[in-house]
Amino acid sequence: DTAVSQTPKYLVTQMGNDKSIKCEQNLGHDTMYWYKQDSKKFLKIMFSYNNKELIINETVPNRFSPKSPDKAHLNLHINSLELGDSAVYFCASRGLTNTGELFFGEGSRLTVL
Amino acid sequence: RKEVEQDPGPFNVPEGATVAFNCTYSNSASQSFFWYRQDCRKEPKLLMSVYSSGNEDGRFTAQLNRASQYISLLIRDSKLSDSATYLCVVLFTGNQFYFGTGTSLTVIP
Repeated sequence: DTAVSQTPKYLVTQMGNDKSIKCEQNLGHDTMYWYKQDSKKFLKIMFSYNNKELIINETVPNRFSPKSPDKAHLNLHINSLELGDSAVYFCASRGLTNTGELFFGEGSRLTVL
Repeated sequence: RKEVEQDPGPFNVPEGATVAFNCTYSNSASQSFFWYRQDCRKEPKLLMSVYSSGNEDGRFTAQLNRASQYISLLIRDSKLSDSATYLCVVLFTGNQFYFGTGTSLTVIP
């Protein structure tokens, strides 16, 4: 059983299109995240939700809109895709133990042509 | 300035060598510290947490210096399977985890 699962794993699309990436965790965690990893491999936090409530919203264009229908799901919708949006998008959820470990999905590789 | 800074490397070391990675963080109010490992085209995974007194897990030793805002990871007796990118991670407040750019390690036979 995959603890944090993302779909799709690969996404190739044209500039200007709208696309969504879905994330689900079966760990019972309250907090979920979206991170973006660019070509230089830098992992940058985008959003975080705690029990369906937005708690972190870094400087991300309005074209990116997260949605959390329940605490086990955190989806990411991107409007009007641009070349610079090409990256790997990782979903993660936070453990409840004192270690505060992050559990990542396998990533969704987005390529904008 | 990035919240967490690391030397990106790459570090190329022979099997059996000892290698050390360093990391600095900008926010003195940071709460918790971690080292994650990321293999090529895979997701990051927790390697170990870093405690104030320093801690060891087999061949891996992590140290924290809060006064200098500095974290280190020491790998002894390097194995080929240690080849990966090592990410320094800092929990600032509440739920904000910030990642360093990662240090690339290749262990050579």
